[in-house]
Amino acid sequence: EVQLVESGGGLVQPGGSLRLSCAASGFTFSDYYMDWVRQAPGKGLDWVGRIRNKAKSYTTDYAASVKGRFTISRDDSKNSLYLQMNSLETEDTAVYYCTRDRTADNWGQGTLVTVSS
Amino acid sequence: QSVLTQPPSASGTPGQRVTISCSGSSSNIGSYDVCWYQQVPGTAPKLLIYKNNQRPSGVPDRFSGSKSGTSASLAVSGLRSEDEADYYCAAWDDSLSGRVFGGGTKLTVL
Repeated sequence: EVQLVESGGGLVQPGGSLRLSCAASGFTFSDYYMDWVRQAPGKGLDWVGRIRNKAKSYTTDYAASVKGRFTISRDDSKNSLYLQMNSLETEDTAVYYCTRDRTADNWGQGTLVTVSS
Repeated sequence: QSVLTQPPSASGTPGQRVTISCSGSSSNIGSYDVCWYQQVPGTAPKLLIYKNNQRPSGVPDRFSGSKSGTSASLAVSGLRSEDEADYYCAAWDDSLSGRVFGGGTKLTVL
């Protein structure tokens, strides 16, 4: 059974940093592209970024709203995906989900990030 | 404002057929496959349709997807109370080099 479990969310002040993790199991993690998607309270889904697999040289893409502030990485030996978030803004407050593959065929339960003073 | 345009709401009575539209452009829906997701409030989204009209295993055949040009649609037939949820379309966008979502459609079963 595919499982994605996010962690690392919490309350952070504007301008601060946070690192989210996503632990994957039940599939060959290294084969897949992985995305981060977020959802602000009461709002719709918002794509954050993607990291491709080794075959595609672990290349990344980011939404314009987070480019230069967020960094996606992965450790295939640990079946883990990461999202390093710097220079956080109040508009980054959201539940952050990790998703599998280009179709986002599996989602984690999400982790809440609150940016507030 | 979302790159993909969906109606904010849709409704129907049990047993009815409802369709939800998703309008895009040549840089997204016109060039790439569309996915649809269902999100029951308080839970994570779930993949409903991929590659425009394919259903993952476990998704009832009451759900169907189609795509024509720069638009796509999701149809729900034999509407049931448990179909009450938010529905989102998504596709890759070449111009943005990123994935884009519709704003979501809240489906109400009357």
